Amino acid sequence: DAGVIQSPRHEVTEMGQEVTLRCKPISGHDYLFWYRQTMMRGLELLIYFNNNVPIDDSGMPEDRFSAKMPNASFSTLKIQPSEPRDSAVYFCASSPRQGSYTEAFFGQGTRLTVV
Amino acid sequence: AQKVTQAQTEISVVEKEDVTLDCVYETRDTTYYLFWYKQPPSGELVFLIRRNSFDEQNEISGRYSWNFQKSTSSFNFTITASQVVDSAVYFCALSVNFGNEKLTFGTGTRLTIIP
Repeated sequence: DAGVIQSPRHEVTEMGQEVTLRCKPISGHDYLFWYRQTMMRGLELLIYFNNNVPIDDSGMPEDRFSAKMPNASFSTLKIQPSEPRDSAVYFCASSPRQGSYTEAFFGQGTRLTVV
Repeated sequence: AQKVTQAQTEISVVEKEDVTLDCVYETRDTTYYLFWYKQPPSGELVFLIRRNSFDEQNEISGRYSWNFQKSTSSFNFTITASQVVDSAVYFCALSVNFGNEKLTFGTGTRLTIIP
């Protein structure tokens, strides 16, 4: 299995531009998570989906952030407009169906720099 | 709400020394899972171990061992005979219910092994 695949690995953009981060979860996994890692706040959950449906988006910082999961094999996290304080590493993770005794599998992360 | 505390921000030890990383958690749920993840300098999150709230047995895996004590709400991680490759940031995390849902992370402990 290729694992969770995120793209791009690195993104540098100018303030005000739209940024889209992409994630392909492990095939067959029902849960998909977006986490953000910053020096100030550590690792925090932004949003997660179960069977493509958003379950908890309370971690999304503001309306500039949006996430979609149009099908079981793809999710996007969009920031529009981007700001320098959005600079962080964004991780996508997936895990199997509810009741499975297992852990979340993380992608390699996308390092976003907003200048 | 869940909370994970890793009071040790940074630890440095000389190679071959033993080192223990502390983790204290808070939750009102009776069913929960505890995890340790390693984040090496390359940035990815590497799963190390998962423990559920009903299993307080200590676990040993090679040079790694974990001590889970519900009485003190702690899940400590010990590396025996440390090696330079152990240098990384280590995160303790908590998930309720089945363990494959959202994770609450501690702030991490940066471990540096000095050759």
